[in-house]
This record gives sequence, C-alpha cells and structure tokens, in this order.
Amino acid sequence: DAGVTQSPTHLIKTRGQQVTLRCSPKSGHDTVSWYQQALGQGPQFIFQYYEEEERQRGNFPDRFSGHQFPNYSSELNVNALLLGDSALYLCASSLGQGAGNTIYFGEGSWLTVV
Amino acid sequence: SQKIEQNSEALNIQEGKTATLTCNYTNYSPAYLQWYRQDPGRGPVFLLLIRENEKEKRKERLKVTFDTTLKQSLFHITASQPADSATYLCALDPPGNQFYFGTGTSLTVIP
Repeated sequence: DAGVTQSPTHLIKTRGQQVTLRCSPKSGHDTVSWYQQALGQGPQFIFQYYEEEERQRGNFPDRFSGHQFPNYSSELNVNALLLGDSALYLCASSLGQGAGNTIYFGEGSWLTVV
Repeated sequence: SQKIEQNSEALNIQEGKTATLTCNYTNYSPAYLQWYRQDPGRGPVFLLLIRENEKEKRKERLKVTFDTTLKQSLFHITASQPADSATYLCALDPPGNQFYFGTGTSLTVIP
C-alpha cells in the first residue's frame, strides 16, 4: 500500500520563476492538503483540495495555487518565486474532510529559491 | 487565529527516563488534538489523536493528556530510547482538517 508520494524531492529555482510540485495521495484517500514548513518551524497550512475544488485556504497569497485531478492527485504551483518561499513543501492526504481524521504526510519537496 | 506553543527549548533526557513535552494553545479548544513525530528531512508521522472529551490516551510507551480548561496537552514517552530522538509536533485539529501546528520540540535521548 503506497503512502503519500511527492515529486520532485529537491529543486532549486531562481527568484521570479515558477514551480510546480506534485503529490499522489495514499491509496483510498480523497482529500489532499498542502503545507509549507520553513526551517525550524512547524508546517503552515496552504490549502486543501477535495472533489477537485479548493475547500479551505490558509494565509498565503494568490501566487500559491493548486489543482486536484480526478484520480485525487494534486499539484501545487507557486508563481513569481521569492527568496522567502524556500522551504519544505509537504503534501498530506486523508479520507474526507472531517475533523478527527488522521492525515498522512509525504516526505516533502525541498524548494530552494536563489 | 490559533497560537500554539511547545517547549521552547530542546529537551535532552537520559535513556530510560520519561520525556514530557508540552503543548499550549490560545483561543478556542479544538475537538481533536494530534501529535506527530518528525525526523530530520522527513515528513511528519502520526502518533496519537485525542478527543476533547478524553482526558488521556495511551499507545505502548506513549501517553497524551488533553486539558481543555488549561488549554494544554502533555505528551509523555516512558522508558525513553535513543531511537525516540526526533522533533515532536502538536497539531490542533478543528473541523475541515486545516491543522494548526506548533513549532515542535526537539527531543534527544542520551544513551
């Protein structure tokens, strides 16, 4: 049973560029959330996708956008990259949106903006 | 918005002792609170979930308490082992799965 898989694992981008990160949820899960984790900090919620729609959004600018596909996989896009966007980007999946669900994280995508 | 505070300093304990990690939060009490373990460069891994009407939850050497009056959760690891060394994250779990995470407590178990 495959867990949450993310790609790429590491990438380096230049300020102003755009990046796309990808996530496949754990088998049987239909809800995908994205988190940003800066060094020494806890994960910060970016947004959540369910039934191919953005259902909730954290305090992140419109430069951060996403998509969920019919097979529940998801993409996170970040435009006009800033140095401060350098972080570990975590994808998490769960079955449904309700509270009390365990969420399963992938290993993350390390983004460095130079 | 919610503010979650965990032990601000790293925690070093001797092998075999009990480690106690603290999670304090402000504002509303969530219906659920979860604890995760994170190893360097890895994604967080779920450990325990406790509901607001549960005072205590146990799993093997792990124990979590949840006091909604104090707005605090305590996480205990008994008979600690060097393999328990990691960062432990507290997460508030309101409706909708928009988790609010603390900054984590780094635990080192010294052999």
